[in-house]
Formats: sequence, C-alpha cells, structure tokens
Amino acid sequence: GEQVEQLPSILRVQEGSSASINCSYEDSASNYFPWYKQEPGENPKLIIDIRSNMERKQIQELIVLLDKKAKRFSLHITDTQPGDSAMYFCAASVGTGSKLSFGKGAKLTVSP
Amino acid sequence: EAAVTQSPRNKVTVTGGNVTLSCRQTNSHNYMYWYRQDTGHGLRLIHYSYGAGNLQIGDVPDGYKATRTTQEDFFLLLELASPSQTSLYFCASSDRVGNTLYFGEGSRLIVV
Repeated sequence: GEQVEQLPSILRVQEGSSASINCSYEDSASNYFPWYKQEPGENPKLIIDIRSNMERKQIQELIVLLDKKAKRFSLHITDTQPGDSAMYFCAASVGTGSKLSFGKGAKLTVSP
Repeated sequence: EAAVTQSPRNKVTVTGGNVTLSCRQTNSHNYMYWYRQDTGHGLRLIHYSYGAGNLQIGDVPDGYKATRTTQEDFFLLLELASPSQTSLYFCASSDRVGNTLYFGEGSRLIVV
C-alpha cells in the first residue's frame, strides 16, 4: 500500500510557539491528505484536510501545506496551547481509492 | 456526529483462542474499516469494506478475517490469536471516498 513517512515522531515546544510536522507520500495519484489528532485514551479525530487541488488551507491556528511536485505535505500549528498536546497522524489516500494510509504519528507536547 | 460503536472494549484471550471484534455504525455509511494501532507503527489497515457482503484486503491482513453482514455491522475475526495480535483495534466508517473517517472508541486486545 501507500507508504506515508511522518517526521518528527516526537516534538516538544513551548506554549505560544509554532509546531510543524512533515509527511511524504509515494503515489502521485493520491489526492486526499487528512490530519487526525488523538488525545490520550481517545480515538483519532479529523482536524483538517487538504485535497490535491489546493496548496494551502487554514482553519484557525492550523495550517496545512501541500507540495504535489515534491509529494510532501505538512501541518503547522501556530500559537500552540497545552491543549494541543496529543498524537498527530497524517494520512494519504491510496491513489483515488478509498484506502487511507497513515503515517506513524507524531507526539506533540506543549509546555506551559 | 457519526456514531461508531465497538465491542468488546477490552478483551484478554489465550494464544490459539478465537476472538470476534464487533463494530456497528448508525449513519448509513458505505465504507467501514478495521485498523490496528501499535506504538511505533501508527494506524495500519487490516481490512475494509464498501458495503454489505463486500470485503477488501488491507495492508496487514495476515491472521485476520472480516465480514460485513449489513451496512451497519463489520466484524473482525481472529481464529487463532497470537501474542503479536495484542493491540488496540479501531473500527472506522466514512460515507464515501476521500471523506472523513469516524473512528470508534477502540477495542484493546491482549493475547497471553
């Protein structure tokens, strides 16, 4: 299946600073790139997504960038808060099918 | 919000045992998925389905069977459980390709 690489696996930031997570994918036909947040003991929940007809999308403090040429996409969290501490998973659709392949996750810790 | 319910939430079985994990969604979604989550591996797709009677193989299907009996119900079967199948299992559903996955609360399985 589609391979999605996600880095870093762990990041620690100070409250108010920015955090960035990067992902890359292999299949140039992939066209859907969601990000899921998983808080401890909870299930993953969609926080933002981007499709291949866009290069940038922002929802409040969340920014997603997509570089189709390089087959890379990234999540940027501006003005981080302790409530942003969680696991974050990127994912990519496999071609134009219904499978989503996930990265291995990034554990974000925001310190007050 | 979409409702996806898994049972049991926790299960302990012995090596060689028979386990069935159940998933029900009540939002008339066509697509249902079974993922396993392991530290260092993220979320990996086991099996998925487009609708009742349909079954598609995911990325890590070995040792697992699945059956979609109705649009609402998707089951994951471990007929000869092994310790390597100790994991947190998530069921998810979506209404169509490239749309939000709604995850259940997870089923934690321990094989001793």
